[in-house]
Amino acid sequence: GDQVEQSPSALSLHEGTGSALRCNFTTTMRAVQWFRKNSRGSLINLFYLASGTKENGRLKSAFDSKERYSTLHIRDAQLEDSGTYFCAALYGSSGNKLIFGIGTLLSVKP
Amino acid sequence: AQTIHQWPVAEIKAVGSPLSLGCTIKGKSSPNLYWYWQATGGTLQQLFYSITVGQVESVVQLNLSASRPKDDQFILSTEKLLLSHSGFYLCAWSLRAVEQYFGPGTRLTVL
Repeated sequence: GDQVEQSPSALSLHEGTGSALRCNFTTTMRAVQWFRKNSRGSLINLFYLASGTKENGRLKSAFDSKERYSTLHIRDAQLEDSGTYFCAALYGSSGNKLIFGIGTLLSVKP
Repeated sequence: AQTIHQWPVAEIKAVGSPLSLGCTIKGKSSPNLYWYWQATGGTLQQLFYSITVGQVESVVQLNLSASRPKDDQFILSTEKLLLSHSGFYLCAWSLRAVEQYFGPGTRLTVL
């Protein structure tokens, strides 16, 4: 079936450094969303991309539907960036189906 | 003002008892609505979506049902809860099947 493979499952960074999260898709997806889980367990929207790249502060995301992957880059990581990040891919003829990755637990250390 | 409300915030229910979870959207005309569920330690899964009043599509079968009685309301229910229904339930909305926005969630514990 359609799957979203998110990696890494856990990531540890020192303050001021950066890294990337990646999601690979087993089939062509219409768009991708990136979220961060809040303290209560709900989701904060970070990015929505149907193609190309978007940047917001220290976060940058890219989506290549043809090559079936998306990335989320974090630069100059801060302690408050710690948390769980999810990608989710939009698929299906109606565009209403969203399938999630397993999440990446990011820990930023001093 | 918050666009999406879910109720209750949390619920503890007995196995075999009925369940009704609600979701209300404010200030959006004819939104697409969605129900998601995450078991503890599991991946968030889409359960249902609705494009319009009275129409609901099932994505994953979990012995649950959904209804959309009004344009701004989405209900998730079952007649008999199972232990496996425990978890975190999220409602979401979008306009024209583009970016989805999530509600605060309901935590359900089935004992």
